[in-house]
Amino acid sequence: DGGITQSPKYLFRKEGQNVTLSCEQNLNHDAMYWYRQDPGQGLRLIYYSQIVNDFQKGDIAEGYSVSREKKESFPLTVTSAQKNPTAFYLCASSVVQGAVYNQPQHFGDGTRLSIL
Amino acid sequence: SQQGEEDPQALSIQEGENATMNCSYKTSINNLQWYRQNSGRGLVHLILIRSNEREKHSGRLRVTLDTSKKSSSLLITASRAADTASYFCATVLHTGNQFYFGTGTSLTVIP
Repeated sequence: DGGITQSPKYLFRKEGQNVTLSCEQNLNHDAMYWYRQDPGQGLRLIYYSQIVNDFQKGDIAEGYSVSREKKESFPLTVTSAQKNPTAFYLCASSVVQGAVYNQPQHFGDGTRLSIL
Repeated sequence: SQQGEEDPQALSIQEGENATMNCSYKTSINNLQWYRQNSGRGLVHLILIRSNEREKHSGRLRVTLDTSKKSSSLLITASRAADTASYFCATVLHTGNQFYFGTGTSLTVIP
C-alpha cells in the first residue's frame, strides 16, 4: 500500500541536542511538507519542497533544517536553536500539477517530540 | 495571514444529528480543502472544492463555497460516534504553492 511513514512515533530531546525526524513516502509525489501542530492549534508550515535538492522556508523555519536528496525522503532536523520544540510534527506529500497545488495532501501519522 | 478560521471551535451533538462547521479566509483562493484528524493521528483528506464551484457532495458530506464572502461550510449529515474528530479547512492561493490550514473545529458526537 502506498503511503507516508513517519518515525519515530515518539521522540525525546535533551537540552542542546539536535534530533532528526524521518519522513518517507512511496506515493511518487513531487511535493513534500513539514508542519508543526501545537495542542488545540492548527498546522503551521515549517518547510516544503517541490523537487529534489530544492526546498523553501515556511512560516516557522527558524531552529529547523531539512534536506531533499531523494524524492521519497524529506527528513527534518530540530536543532538546539529551536527553544520550544515540544509539539506534534506532521509530514505530508502531494502531487504537483502545473503551478497550482490543486490536489490533496497525504499525511503521515506524526511524531510527537518532547523535551527531557 | 491567510490562515483560515473555523467556527465553532468546538461542537457537541447527539448521534443522528447534522453537524455544520464553517471556515472563513482572507484572500482569493484557487481551491479549498477539508481534512479530518482523529486524536493523535495525521490528517485525512475529505473533499476539495475549486473556486469556480459552489457545492460538492461526498457520501454524508456536503461542502459549500461562497467566494464573495470568502467562506465555506462543511455539513455532516446523520452523524455517527465515529465522526468524532477535529476538522480543518485548508486554502490554496492562486499562486498555488502552499496550503494554509485553519485552526480547526473539534466535533464530538455523543452516542
